[in-house]
Amino acid sequence: QSALTQPASVSGSPGQSITISCSGSNSDIGGYDYVSWYQQHPGKAPKLMIYDVTNRPSGVSDRFSGSKSGNTASLTISGLQAEDEADYYCSSYSVTATKGVLFGGGTKLTVL
Amino acid sequence: QLQLQESGPGLVKPSETLSLTCSVSGGSISSETYYWGWVRQPPGRGLEWLGNILYSGTTYYNPSLKSRVTISIETSRTQFSLKMDSVTAADTAVYFCANGLFDSYKTWGQGTLVTVSS
Repeated sequence: QSALTQPASVSGSPGQSITISCSGSNSDIGGYDYVSWYQQHPGKAPKLMIYDVTNRPSGVSDRFSGSKSGNTASLTISGLQAEDEADYYCSSYSVTATKGVLFGGGTKLTVL
Repeated sequence: QLQLQESGPGLVKPSETLSLTCSVSGGSISSETYYWGWVRQPPGRGLEWLGNILYSGTTYYNPSLKSRVTISIETSRTQFSLKMDSVTAADTAVYFCANGLFDSYKTWGQGTLVTVSS
């Protein structure tokens, strides 16, 4: 199973919006609406921000939104804040030889 | 509020077996809706899914690691475990236990660093 593809880094200024992409295949992102996004600050455990492509867990800011088109999923963060600076990982349900979970390589978000 | 805590040796010798336990508190381990999982993260690198287990004992593993990984659940002790055989330096990582849907984990442990070295 190959990892999902994310850009290594993105950046934006406070108040702006940014989008992080996550590319996969028909066996994962393109085939199922089971894409999640995690935020991870240094030395901390990942935090679930989006699940099932577009759903936010309770307590997650509505500045975070998810979408999908074909084999590519996206995370958009609007109204960037300094606290959003972190690593972001996408994940997807995947079926190749057996069902499992794939993660993306991670994207470092820098708030300028 | 559900809480998870990993425990186990922080240093394992090459070719030996890595064994970690995740203790569950603040919630029930006996739900058939939610999965108990393991994820690891090598230093400075990304996340890698290791596998999931249900309360019933049904397991799902990362195909690339399936031959070396075993996940088990001890409902009477409200904990679940990870064993990884024949470890090498490439298995050095922070190991997280987690809980949630099959493919999305809402609750995570704090993680524990396991170093493989002689």
